[in-house]
Amino acid sequence: AQTVTQSQPEMSVQEAETVTLSCTYDTSESDYYLFWYKQPPSRQMILVIRQEAYKQQNATENRFSVNFQKAAKSFSLKISDSQLGDAAMYFCAHSIYQGGSEKLVFGKGTKLTVNP
Amino acid sequence: GAVVSQHPSRVICKSGTSVKIECRSLDFQATTMFWYRQFPKQSLMLMATSNEGSKATYEQGVEKDKFLINHASLTLSTLTVTSAHPEDSSFYICSASLGQGVLIRGLFFGSGTQLSVL
Repeated sequence: AQTVTQSQPEMSVQEAETVTLSCTYDTSESDYYLFWYKQPPSRQMILVIRQEAYKQQNATENRFSVNFQKAAKSFSLKISDSQLGDAAMYFCAHSIYQGGSEKLVFGKGTKLTVNP
Repeated sequence: GAVVSQHPSRVICKSGTSVKIECRSLDFQATTMFWYRQFPKQSLMLMATSNEGSKATYEQGVEKDKFLINHASLTLSTLTVTSAHPEDSSFYICSASLGQGVLIRGLFFGSGTQLSVL
């Protein structure tokens, strides 16, 4: 079964500090993509960062970076210099090919609180 | 770029009525769109994959006759909740992907529709 596990239901961080959100996944595919999405209180899903499984280099987008460990099937998100606007639900997801089509499988999410 | 528009944002209807939700890709063509359902404080559950010009592919456990999906053009997919009942109340979100290799760049999401069935 294709699953995504986010073991931290909630996390908190002080403004300007760094926080890491964990994600592990289970897949039998060799080529896939991994994503982190942010869902603020508005409930608009926003793509934060993506990683191609065949690339060893960790993806970086400004204050957001990932630690991708393919062998361990781990894909954590690091947020540096946390800002109040980073407060949101964060969902980890990976692509799968199932039933003749590609789709995304999401984890259950981590609620991030940023304290001033 | 990659803007997905979803309407309405909120709808309240009586039990037994049908509700249509529209999802449009504004600045790109989307051959494939996805419809998700999200319960409060839970993750996104994929309901169906909508393919332009062909029948939608539904996930296991999703009633095809209850949730009708039409993808008549490269920029528009609609979800119709037929004969809605209170248990259909939920947050529905559509999404679309860019270009070839459906998920290479990830999915871009609409702003969602909160359906409340009285």
